[in-house]
Amino acid sequence: GENVEQHPSTLSVQEGDSAVIKCTYSDSASNYFPWYKQELGKRPQLIIDIRSNVGEKKDQRIAVTLNKTAKHFSLHITETQPEDSAVYFCAASPGGTSYGKLTFGQGTILTVHP
Amino acid sequence: NAGVTQTPKFRVLKTGQSMTLLCAQDMNHEYMYWYRQDPGMGLRLIHYSVGEGTTAKGEVPDGYNVSRLKKQNFLLGLESAAPSQTSVYFCASSYDIGDIDHEQYFGPGTRLTVT
Repeated sequence: GENVEQHPSTLSVQEGDSAVIKCTYSDSASNYFPWYKQELGKRPQLIIDIRSNVGEKKDQRIAVTLNKTAKHFSLHITETQPEDSAVYFCAASPGGTSYGKLTFGQGTILTVHP
Repeated sequence: NAGVTQTPKFRVLKTGQSMTLLCAQDMNHEYMYWYRQDPGMGLRLIHYSVGEGTTAKGEVPDGYNVSRLKKQNFLLGLESAAPSQTSVYFCASSYDIGDIDHEQYFGPGTRLTVT
């Protein structure tokens, strides 16, 4: 089955800096890659996703890049703010007849210091 | 719209007891999922359903059973709870449009402790 590795496990930045979180996946058939943000004690919420036919996607201060050849994808947050502090999870889905079956990474605890 | 709701929010069980977690969604989603979240391990899929009356195993199904008798509800059962099932359980749901993945909407979670 799919295996998703996420790094780093913790990331500390100063307000205004950029943050980058990286994930690798094992199944070359995976074609959907969402990123979820989970604030302390809250539910995970989708912040951005990318499909395998696209190399990059941006939404204001957040961007995701995908390298299908290397089987890795990354989350980029620019101009970080204290409210960006949370746990971020990447995930991968094989699509096809198995769409919806997300495999999540282990999570990255992002702390943005004012 | 309430979105995805879960009952109960917290529960403490003794080893060997049984319980059922209820998930409800009011978004008319076809797909529903049960995950468990443990420290350092992300979210792991337990079981999922692609429509009313259907269920399928996920990554970690052992020790759990599920039922989807109504489209809006997805039940997760623990027949004989074990301390290894201490976790936070999240339910999620998503659309089934165009045979591709869509955003999964999560419930608030249930914190279960088995002593």
